[in-house]
Amino acid sequence: QSVLTQPPSASGTPGQKVTISCSGSTSNIGHNFVHWYQQFPGTAPKLLIYKNDQRPSGVPDRFSASKSGTSASLAISGLRSEDEANYYCAAWDDSLSGVFGGGTKLTVL
Amino acid sequence: EVQLVESGGGLVQPGGSLRLSCVGSGFRFSSSAMTWVRLAPGKGLEWVSGTSGNGGSKYYGASVRGRFTISRDNSKDTLYLQMDSLRVDDTAIYYCARVSGASHASGTYYTTWGQGTMVTVSS
Repeated sequence: QSVLTQPPSASGTPGQKVTISCSGSTSNIGHNFVHWYQQFPGTAPKLLIYKNDQRPSGVPDRFSASKSGTSASLAISGLRSEDEANYYCAAWDDSLSGVFGGGTKLTVL
Repeated sequence: EVQLVESGGGLVQPGGSLRLSCVGSGFRFSSSAMTWVRLAPGKGLEWVSGTSGNGGSKYYGASVRGRFTISRDNSKDTLYLQMDSLRVDDTAIYYCARVSGASHASGTYYTTWGQGTMVTVSS
């Protein structure tokens, strides 16, 4: 069981906006930044969002994220078929370890 | 180009040991904290271990603490993970990743990932 809680699945049609939630606790999300990673099956994870809401260069502005209290969320607008992947939230925990969410599989219908 | 290449995975019996390696290139290895993350079949990403750029600080996830040891040789730009007392539930793809700073902290994240190396623990 993962420390951070994400819905196992999410879906949407092309062009729609989808939101993925991530819930934690004071010791991780509450006190630390949240980051998001995208992973396609059979490939390595890729940094998607860092420090709550920052996009690395090359990540489309269709991807956005926010954090409030002990929760965070990732939003994907203008959904495209190539967005179909697994999405993970992550944070540092005050117990001096990294923590991940269980991952959300996004399906583009 | 920043690159990480893992090696050392394979099939091992329960109770056995294995040492993973991760060679970095394209960046100043000693200035970057490094971490190991694994992906078990049908599961999500799990943080395994991390170490600071100079190797002086080491951190472990609860499921591997006392069995796994992280280390690095900055003269060889190489990160290691010594895995002892392996269990069936350690079966996973193991990724090494470069951390955004010289040490693990609140704002650090994983900028670059290797392609992973598969570890299978089975009798």
